[in-house]
Amino acid sequence: DQQVKQNSPSLSVQEGRISILNCDYTNSMFDYFLWYKKYPAEGPTFLISISSIKDKNEDGRFTVFLNKSAKHLSLHIVPSQPGDSAVYFCAASYNFGNEKLTFGTGTRLTIIP
Amino acid sequence: DADVTQTPRNRITKTGKRIMLECSQTKGHDRMYWYRQDPGLGLRLIYYSFDVKDINKGEISDGYSVSRQAQAKFSLSLESAIPNQTALYFCATSDLAGERKFFGPGTRLTVL
Repeated sequence: DQQVKQNSPSLSVQEGRISILNCDYTNSMFDYFLWYKKYPAEGPTFLISISSIKDKNEDGRFTVFLNKSAKHLSLHIVPSQPGDSAVYFCAASYNFGNEKLTFGTGTRLTIIP
Repeated sequence: DADVTQTPRNRITKTGKRIMLECSQTKGHDRMYWYRQDPGLGLRLIYYSFDVKDINKGEISDGYSVSRQAQAKFSLSLESAIPNQTALYFCATSDLAGERKFFGPGTRLTVL
């Protein structure tokens, strides 16, 4: 049973526009969420995170929004750049410091020049 | 130089063979992990280790074993490889916080 879902396997966005990647979860015990970015032939790299006590966290061009009632989070990238083309994974854990991250299946983002 | 390295990067083996995947890190982290990635399933935790004497099973440990030879080295073994262990394997480390993990480049394993 997939507890963290990324329903869009792929997304194409024009350079300079906003990219919005979505993630849904089913387990209400999750209270810490992360986004990882993965380039081909490389391992995932941490991008941004958010605790359930917040509904927004911003880091430069990247903003993560959390809607606990809908069990939904999204990653916004503004403006999108060609180097943002990658696979994005969302992940969740039960509490900060928990070793066991549950990952989504990933969304491949392609930025069109 | 990469902080987390994995060897080999690619491996093709046959059913029933024993195979070892190795991971080394220079980040000085105590915590190390092995994940596998399959198409449509995301990353799943196989084993993790808090230090040399502390090894823990993840969600899919059956068919795998690990060895933490030193703080910097964590190896994953498939005692008798089977085709459904064909996957992309990632080693990762983390500091005390745990969630923010640093991944190696991955090993693509094919079991024929």
